[in-house]
Amino acid sequence: GDSVTQMEGPVTLSEEAFLTINCTYTATGYPSLFWYVQYPGEGLQLLLKATKADDKGSNKGFEATYRKETTSFHLEKGSVQVSDSAVYFCVRGSTLGRLYFGRGTQLTVWP
Amino acid sequence: GAVVSQHPSWVICKSGTSVKIECRSLDFQATTMFWYRQFPKQSLMLMATSNEGSKATYEQGVEKDKFLINHASLTLSTLTVTSAHPEDSSFYICSARVRGGLGDTQYFGPGTRLTVL
Repeated sequence: GDSVTQMEGPVTLSEEAFLTINCTYTATGYPSLFWYVQYPGEGLQLLLKATKADDKGSNKGFEATYRKETTSFHLEKGSVQVSDSAVYFCVRGSTLGRLYFGRGTQLTVWP
Repeated sequence: GAVVSQHPSWVICKSGTSVKIECRSLDFQATTMFWYRQFPKQSLMLMATSNEGSKATYEQGVEKDKFLINHASLTLSTLTVTSAHPEDSSFYICSARVRGGLGDTQYFGPGTRLTVL
């Protein structure tokens, strides 16, 4: 059935390193895709989204491009900061606003 | 920004009791709210869609008689875990959907930690 497969963590990087968190999806049709972030002790927040093929979502230096050929929506950031340490979720949208989450990837950035 | 609250933030109960969790949209109205369950180090699992003034829609495999959802107003949805057992221990998260000129956005509550002894 429809699902979201996300790179397993945890991911540990030094500050200013390049980040990629892989995400692929299976779905009928072309769902909206999202990245949500959960900072320590806080609720989930929308980081970025893309609603159709070839769209690029971006926010706070993070980017992800909706690739229908590879059914992927990989999250990237050119230079991570300590404050980016959080759990990142790749999410697939569905009808009536329902969201289906990947397993989450814990990112830890060291100074 | 839009704020969603949950109450309580944590609860411990004995096996066999029922527990009610509230989800409130504090500064906006939400015709649709969603309930999720998150196990340790695992993803959020969508449990059900809560629609104001109508019955909730449950995802496959979720027991509707076990997890009672009520959405009596545009700012409040409740999840009642009936006859709770230790396997119901989990982190329950709600979200509220806002549809407007900037598109479709969901705002998440901080979650409720349920521990059933």
